[in-house]
Formats: sequence, structure tokens, C-alpha cells
Amino acid sequence: GAVVSQHPSRVICKSGTSVKIECRSLDFQATTMFWYRQFPKQSLMLMATSNEGSKATYEQGVEKDKFLINHASLTLSTLTVTSAHPEDSSFYICSARSFHEQYFGPGTRLTVT
Amino acid sequence: SQELEQSPQSLIVQEGKNLTINCTSSKTLYGLYWYKQKYGEGLIFLMMLQKGGEEKSHEKITAKLDEKKQQSSLHITASQPSHAGIYLCGADWDTPLVFGKGTRLSVIA
Repeated sequence: GAVVSQHPSRVICKSGTSVKIECRSLDFQATTMFWYRQFPKQSLMLMATSNEGSKATYEQGVEKDKFLINHASLTLSTLTVTSAHPEDSSFYICSARSFHEQYFGPGTRLTVT
Repeated sequence: SQELEQSPQSLIVQEGKNLTINCTSSKTLYGLYWYKQKYGEGLIFLMMLQKGGEEKSHEKITAKLDEKKQQSSLHITASQPSHAGIYLCGADWDTPLVFGKGTRLSVIA
């Protein structure tokens, strides 16, 4: 089946710095990718929809200036958490759609100290 | 608003027992996905149901979608410790998937 990779799998950063997370579809082209966030003991919440070659669409309540999304190519989307704060610590999962299937990356655990 | 309700929120069962997790949609589904997750890890795809009345099985896990395509159940037979984790249903109303809140399953010896 299709594979989606994420890098890094874990990252620790200091408060105020920015962190970039990469999401790649390894064996298919994804015109649309999605970014989810998961807090401890909670379900996945959609943050934004990333469209190749255009601006991302953010869900209500998600700060677009804080969570910068770039869909540079049909196989790569990046999420940059800018000026990270401890409350941004979370598990971030990307996903890519291919035909009728939606595939998920393994996730990135972000810890902001 | 589109909602997907999962029940129960958590479940503790004795090893060898059967269990059922339910997922109810507020509107007709195009598709219903079941995933398993160990917290802090990625999602493991279990099954996807599209047709009303459809039923799929994999090993000891069976998922069904009702005729109206608004409710799905996930049934585990003879549970084992390896079944422990968080089970998420995901609704395909339109891209992307919207998830229920999850059911945390613990299997005790």
C-alpha cells in the first residue's frame, strides 16, 4: 500500500524557536495532504488541508501564521511551527489522499521546553 | 455540524472476552474507516467500509456498516493483550477524514 513518511519522528526545541516537520508521500503523488494534531488521550483533530501549489486551508481556531504549511511538490508538504511555545507540544500526524484511500504518516512528537 | 460519536470512551475487558465498539454518524457516510493506535504512534489501518450492510473481517476483528450507512460497529472476538490500544473510527463525508474521539481498550489477564 501507499506509504507516507514524516520527519523527524521526534523533536525537542526551545520556546521561541521554529520547527519544521516534513511529510512525504513515497510512492504516489498527493495533490492534497492533511495535517492533524493529537493531544494526550484525545483524538486526532484536523488542523489544515494542504494543496499543492496553493495556500493551505486552515480549520477554525488554527492560527495560520503560527502553523505555516507549504505544499512544495506533489510528494512533499511541510508544517512549520513558528515561535513555538510549550502549549504547542503535541503529536502531529500528516496524511495524504490517493484516490479513495487516505494514508497516514507515523507522526511527529514535538516537545517544546 | 458533522459529528462522529464513538462509544464507549474506554473499555476494560478480560483476556478471551468479546467486545464491541460503536461509531455513529450524524449523517450518511461515503465511507467509514477503522484505525488502531498505540498512543504516540501512527495509525494502523484496520478496515474500510463503504456499502450499506457491508461486513469485513480480519483475524479476530469484524467491522460492520449498517444499511443506512450511519452506524458502524467493530467487534473483537476472544480479545488478547495485543488488541489493547485506541480504536478510532474515521468518517468519509468529504475529504479529509473526520475522527471520532476514540475508544481506549485495555485487555487484562
